[in-house]
Amino acid sequence: EVHILESGGDLLQPGGSLRLSCAASGFTFGNYAINWVRQAPGKGLQWVAGISGSGGMRHYADSVKGRFTISRDNSKNTVFLQMSSLRVDDTGIYYCAKDFISPMSETGYFDYWGQGTPVTVSS
Amino acid sequence: SYEVTQPPSVSASPGQTASITCSGDKLGSKFVSWYQQKPGQSPVVVIYQDSKRPSGIPERFSAFSSENTATLTISGTQAMDEADYYCQAWDSNTYVFGRGTKVTVL
Repeated sequence: EVHILESGGDLLQPGGSLRLSCAASGFTFGNYAINWVRQAPGKGLQWVAGISGSGGMRHYADSVKGRFTISRDNSKNTVFLQMSSLRVDDTGIYYCAKDFISPMSETGYFDYWGQGTPVTVSS
Repeated sequence: SYEVTQPPSVSASPGQTASITCSGDKLGSKFVSWYQQKPGQSPVVVIYQDSKRPSGIPERFSAFSSENTATLTISGTQAMDEADYYCQAWDSNTYVFGRGTKVTVL
């Protein structure tokens, strides 16, 4: 059975930094891309970043490019999202989602999701 | 950047059909997935690669895609289908979500 657990969410001020973690089990971790998707309070889903199974391919939404970095440690079945220069509009629930394939592509979709970790950026 | 557009809301009576559209430039040439999200819960995929239904998803969920529009249809809508639904596609190395459609079962 697949399990995905996010952690690291916190309340912090604008301009701050934070690292989120996504621990997964129940599948061959290094064979699949992993994505981060966020949801602002009362709003829709927004894809943030994705990383291929090997870690060699990474893609970002324009809104976070240059501020967020996605990485993974396949020996620990964990993906990370390092967030810096945080803004108020980065506030939301951050979900980790397993991709159907690796690397991310037109045939990809998110077949398993975690419960999310909350990030609040406020002065 | 690429955008896909969904209606904010759709309503249906129990047992009737609810249809949700997702529109985008040449969307028919891209694979579209659909996600259901109930309040306080994580999203769940109900359709992937335009029209495929994951195991465990009821047959009343179906979808098809044409030139610029993808459509999710819920046949014989039930109260448990009341939720937000999001379409998703891939363009220029990014995944793109629609803003979501709230389905209300009257």
